[in-house]
Amino acid sequence: DTAVSQTPKYLVTQMGNDKSIKCEQNLGHDTMYWYKQDSKKFLKIMFSYNNKELIINETVPNRFSPKSPDKAHLNLHINSLELGDSAVYFCASSHRTGEDGYTFGSGTRLTVV
Amino acid sequence: GQNIDQPTEMTATEGAIVQINCTYQTSGFNGLFWYQQHAGEAPTFLSYNVLDGLEEKGRFSSFLSRSKGYSYLLLKELQMKDSASYLCAFPYSSASKIIFGSGTRLSIRP
Repeated sequence: DTAVSQTPKYLVTQMGNDKSIKCEQNLGHDTMYWYKQDSKKFLKIMFSYNNKELIINETVPNRFSPKSPDKAHLNLHINSLELGDSAVYFCASSHRTGEDGYTFGSGTRLTVV
Repeated sequence: GQNIDQPTEMTATEGAIVQINCTYQTSGFNGLFWYQQHAGEAPTFLSYNVLDGLEEKGRFSSFLSRSKGYSYLLLKELQMKDSASYLCAFPYSSASKIIFGSGTRLSIRP
């Protein structure tokens, strides 16, 4: 299946821990993104990568570090998790022009306790 | 700055027609998207308008007026499965950054 797949789907962890979310796309897209959707359902961009290069970093705390080993993968590592990090994190990908829209992964629901 | 306004919630009846409005402000314009998001699922792409006018895709149509900063999504012959949030969005400066509105939660009643 052609898709954007991210793992894990659910993540429950304690404050202060470090965790990673992985994302892979097999659509041949050259741009990948991380979005955060909070409890009010607002989707906000965090990072955008094009061909492994960071092109957008939306004033996200530096506890969040994206890593793109190749253009099909964009992982998100979060250090020292805080309660306010609880949200659904969506990975997405698109062609550079974006005219066909983004294809989103199924999301990772992160709960920090 | 950039801003998107759309109603928070709407209710409609199965088989009817509903129009979801979106007004936006942006310094540069590169098109307007509509996405559908079912509860607990990922957003899925519905439409992308760059030019003024109405574009039809089956039961869903999207309209754009760039001079008025206004768009709407028209859903016809509503089905129960159309109950979802509908997100209006536009690319900011380039397609590398899409700004999403907070979404309109549409409930369909029998």
